[in-house]
Amino acid sequence: KAGVTQTPRYLIKTRGQQVTLSCSPISGHRSVSWYQQTPGQGLQFLFEYFSETQRNKGNFPGRFSGRQFSNSRSEMNVSTLELGDSALYLCASSLVPGGQGKNIQYFGAGTRLSVL
Amino acid sequence: AQSVTQLGSHVSVSEGALVLLRCNYSSSVPPYLFWYVQYPNQGLQLLLKYTTGATLVKGINGFEAEFKKSETSFHLTKPSAHMSDAAEYFCAVSDYSTGNQFYFGTGTSLTVIP
Repeated sequence: KAGVTQTPRYLIKTRGQQVTLSCSPISGHRSVSWYQQTPGQGLQFLFEYFSETQRNKGNFPGRFSGRQFSNSRSEMNVSTLELGDSALYLCASSLVPGGQGKNIQYFGAGTRLSVL
Repeated sequence: AQSVTQLGSHVSVSEGALVLLRCNYSSSVPPYLFWYVQYPNQGLQLLLKYTTGATLVKGINGFEAEFKKSETSFHLTKPSAHMSDAAEYFCAVSDYSTGNQFYFGTGTSLTVIP
């Protein structure tokens, strides 16, 4: 069974540009969450999608947005990039949202975004 | 609001020594608790999780953690460190009061000294 796939693995952009990152969840998983990982802040929750609907959103500006398609694949978009957006962006998928019961979040390897 | 505190951003142990990584959480309702490990240039991998039932949870690679409600702690231990345990470890909490959103600690980097 294929794991969570994130593309691209590396990105270099300049300030002011916009970027789209992609996440393909494990087959059968309908929940996808996005996190931003930086050395100083650790993992910060961006948003979560379940069955094409955003269920939760973290404390990030509106420049950060996402969506989920009918096949559960998800994209996140960052517009008007800032230097502080440089980070590892991680996607996690699970059968359903949350940590209850046997539900487990599986993480992709991430997309490393560098903003110059 | 939920939060996770990992005491010690860097921990060093000798090979064969006890590994103890500390995690304290805050949650207004019974939490679900997790430990994840991250190796360089990789995503996070689940080590173990606590939902309900037995408070001592055994995970992969010889790790275990004990949920102590009175201390709001979920410390991760391994009796004997191996070189391959060197990685970043993250504690996380989730509960239904926040729509089951996950909150992660800032991580503890474990170094194993030969």
